[in-house]
Amino acid sequence: GAVVSQHPSWVICKSGTSVKIECRSLDFQATTMFWYRQFPKQSLMLMATSNEGSKATYEQGVEKDKFLINHASLTLSTLTVTSAHPEDSSFYICSAGKNSRGGYTFGSGTRLTVV
Amino acid sequence: DQQVKQNSPSLSVQEGRISILNCDYTNSMFDYFLWYKKYPAEGPTFLISISSIKDKNEDGRFTVFLNKSAKHLSLHIVPSQPGDSAVYFCAASGWTQGGSEKLVFGKGTKLTVNP
Repeated sequence: GAVVSQHPSWVICKSGTSVKIECRSLDFQATTMFWYRQFPKQSLMLMATSNEGSKATYEQGVEKDKFLINHASLTLSTLTVTSAHPEDSSFYICSAGKNSRGGYTFGSGTRLTVV
Repeated sequence: DQQVKQNSPSLSVQEGRISILNCDYTNSMFDYFLWYKKYPAEGPTFLISISSIKDKNEDGRFTVFLNKSAKHLSLHIVPSQPGDSAVYFCAASGWTQGGSEKLVFGKGTKLTVNP
């Protein structure tokens, strides 16, 4: 089955620094990956759609200069939170899939804490 | 503007009984619906889905019902088992302007199955 690996699973960083989160599809090629953010007791909010070889498509209200997405290969997408602030503390999850309808596989998520 | 709503934040059920999780949506353009199960600090796991052309899909103990006219779907788990205890997310599928699939999630319902 499709496996998506996300790293790191948790990270603590100082305010003002940048953090990179990796999302890898291990046994399939993913031309599209998705990045979500989840606040406590809230739904998963789509931040952006990451397209291999082209610019990511950001959802309304998501700052593209703050959340840099790079999808340089068919198996790797990265999300960099730049100049992180405490309000960026959240659970970030990526997803990818082989088929076009629905059954996307999610990574295990990254808990980011900015202090 | 919440397009996918799960109005019950929690549900408690006795082992062996039926669990019914509900979900409502507002956007009639959604044409595919999914249920995901999520444990703490993990990414969601795909459970079951249903196309808008169907009104029922069954997979073992899990059955999803769709009422398009009411814009309502439900997930039935029978018999419920303690291992089913998790947060269940309802998701609706649409398409982004770029032509890729986009999932919109509800806030989730925490199911607790008591032994």
